[in-house]
Amino acid sequence: DAKTTQPTSMDCAEGRAANLPCNHSTISGNEYVYWYRQIHSQGPQYIIHGLKNNETNEMASLIITEDRKSSTLILPHATLRDTAVYYCIVRANFGNEKLTFGTGTRLTIIP
Amino acid sequence: DTAVSQTPKYLVTQMGNDKSIKCEQNLGHDTMYWYKQDSKKFLKIMFSYNNKELIINETVPNRFSPKSPDKAHLNLHINSLELGDSAVYFCASSSPRRPTSGNYNEQFFGPGTRLTVL
Repeated sequence: DAKTTQPTSMDCAEGRAANLPCNHSTISGNEYVYWYRQIHSQGPQYIIHGLKNNETNEMASLIITEDRKSSTLILPHATLRDTAVYYCIVRANFGNEKLTFGTGTRLTIIP
Repeated sequence: DTAVSQTPKYLVTQMGNDKSIKCEQNLGHDTMYWYKQDSKKFLKIMFSYNNKELIINETVPNRFSPKSPDKAHLNLHINSLELGDSAVYFCASSSPRRPTSGNYNEQFFGPGTRLTVL
């Protein structure tokens, strides 16, 4: 699995958009970008994933650069409940693939 | 509710003991996993089972033995517990086929079992 690089921590004001960057310069053609988050004392939670097109769901948007070497997770209107560690993971989308977690970004939403 | 459940939530035990953690999923998934999150919060895969068959074993000591009686259950048995085994253990499940709920290959995690070895 390709290695990812994320900032260690970020703050965002409540109600503003939170933009979490991720670098994955060694991503290969069949690898997807996945985002998970882990709220304190809970198991990781899937947020979104994409291959090369931008993706949006009810939780977030995922913007992937044209060269696929980096991406940004956008939480459009951050709430206090979005305070968590966010993990950017790159992996092939075959069945039964493990998730290789890095250190993630600790996002703190400030009231 | 559909979910991945684990028991117990907390487990405190003495060094040298043998203990088990149970995991059940009612999502109809074929694949189940065990992850370990240590005190520094690093989350690492330990095992993966698909239809009761072991498919991933990430150089975990053989004191750890996963058992899958059916594809809805994946239990973790640990022999001769050591201080370094203290961690939070997460079970997860996914479907390699397009599932009836959730996304293709999305992993659903349980709430975790906090194991403390004294």
